[in-house]
Amino acid sequence: EAQVTQNPRYLITVTGKKLTVTCSQNMNHEYMSWYRQDPGLGLRQIYYSMNVEVTDKGDVPEGYKVSRKEKRNFPLILESPSPNQTSLYFCASSSTPGAGANVLTFGAGSRLTVL
Amino acid sequence: AQSVTQLGSHVSVSEGALVLLRCNYSSSVPPYLFWYVQYPNQGLQLLLKYTSAATLVKGINGFEAEFKKSETSFHLTKPSAHMSDAAEYFCAVSDQETSGSRLTFGEGTQLTVNP
Repeated sequence: EAQVTQNPRYLITVTGKKLTVTCSQNMNHEYMSWYRQDPGLGLRQIYYSMNVEVTDKGDVPEGYKVSRKEKRNFPLILESPSPNQTSLYFCASSSTPGAGANVLTFGAGSRLTVL
Repeated sequence: AQSVTQLGSHVSVSEGALVLLRCNYSSSVPPYLFWYVQYPNQGLQLLLKYTSAATLVKGINGFEAEFKKSETSFHLTKPSAHMSDAAEYFCAVSDQETSGSRLTFGEGTQLTVNP
């Protein structure tokens, strides 16, 4: 089944404790992206990647890092999490970078709480 | 820069009634427009998209949306609501010229369907 898989789905952590949210897709998609969803704010893009070793900042990149060493994986790294990073995170992918009409396939989401 | 405004963070309708979810966009270049739906505890999935081929776009589950350039709108409708339509709906805009697949989401509209 074609899908985007995120782990963990739920995580409670403490301020300053580094964590990684993994994202993997099995569709051979070139484009991958991370979003955070907050009530009343919709989805905001954190980082995106057009292809392996190519990443760029989205609208809210502060406090996050990403890497794209393999086409299928796009982990989101929080080096020193803070409470304002408590949110619902979505990874998404699509087959056609650079084409505005491409359709995103989303993962099921990772709910992160930072105490 | 592009943006999306969804009018009404919460919409409540009776089962069998018309569903109308409003979306207005701002874009300096011809847009691509999308509606995504998010069911509880799931990721987003595409309902429909506008890519300039036809102004009236039909999507899944009986939903449709009409692109009105003069009103910069892309409202989502369904003639008769079903209980299973209860979800959060997101309007999103991309553009036909920017590389990098920058998709901008609205704040979301929570649809409640009453029996």
